[in-house]
Amino acid sequence: GQSLEQPSEVTAVEGAIVQINCTYQTSGFYGLSWYQQHDGGAPTFLSYNALDGLEETGRFSSFLSRSDSYGYLLLQELQMKDSASYFCAGDQAGTALIFGKGTTLSVSS
Amino acid sequence: EAGVTQFPSHSVIEKGQTVTLRCDPISGHDNLYWYRRVMGKEIKFLLHFVKESKQDESGMPNNRFLAERTGGTYSTLKVQPAELEDSGVYFCASSQGLPGQYNSPLHFGNGTRLTVT
Repeated sequence: GQSLEQPSEVTAVEGAIVQINCTYQTSGFYGLSWYQQHDGGAPTFLSYNALDGLEETGRFSSFLSRSDSYGYLLLQELQMKDSASYFCAGDQAGTALIFGKGTTLSVSS
Repeated sequence: EAGVTQFPSHSVIEKGQTVTLRCDPISGHDNLYWYRRVMGKEIKFLLHFVKESKQDESGMPNNRFLAERTGGTYSTLKVQPAELEDSGVYFCASSQGLPGQYNSPLHFGNGTRLTVT
């Protein structure tokens, strides 16, 4: 089966850089996704790593290392609107995503 | 393109009653998923439809939960009879392909907040 571990909370200030780690235990693991959820809203897709290495999308980057069963989401130039919950999610080929418990990011001024 | 829509947005029912949640996926998305989030916990997988067929229902907690997807379009999730532990936010999501095989992200609805008293 799959399980994904993330820190429950992270705090940072505007303009800073924050890294949210995700470690996983799974068999037949395929790739790692990241989703953002603001309070009361729908989770929205941020990034997907199918291969080892870094994927960059604007202020957000995501990294995957299969050999270490580890990934992270890097958020740069933090803004107040980045305060939200962030979920890593793993998939096995042909199956639905399995989500971690989420990390609540609080950005202060 | 219209997003994933869920109805109702909120539902408050008493223990023992029945509730039916509805999800309309993005048009053309064959894959439809139901997830549930209980306060402070993970977004827990319930089941996955491909068109009208149940691809994986390993996450359904027990036989009080029944999901259907009529004609491969909208889906319903019925809870009967509801128990206190069924409270949470029920999310529906759809995707064109599978995340792993086609890098096809999930598009989520805003969820139905179910409270069982």
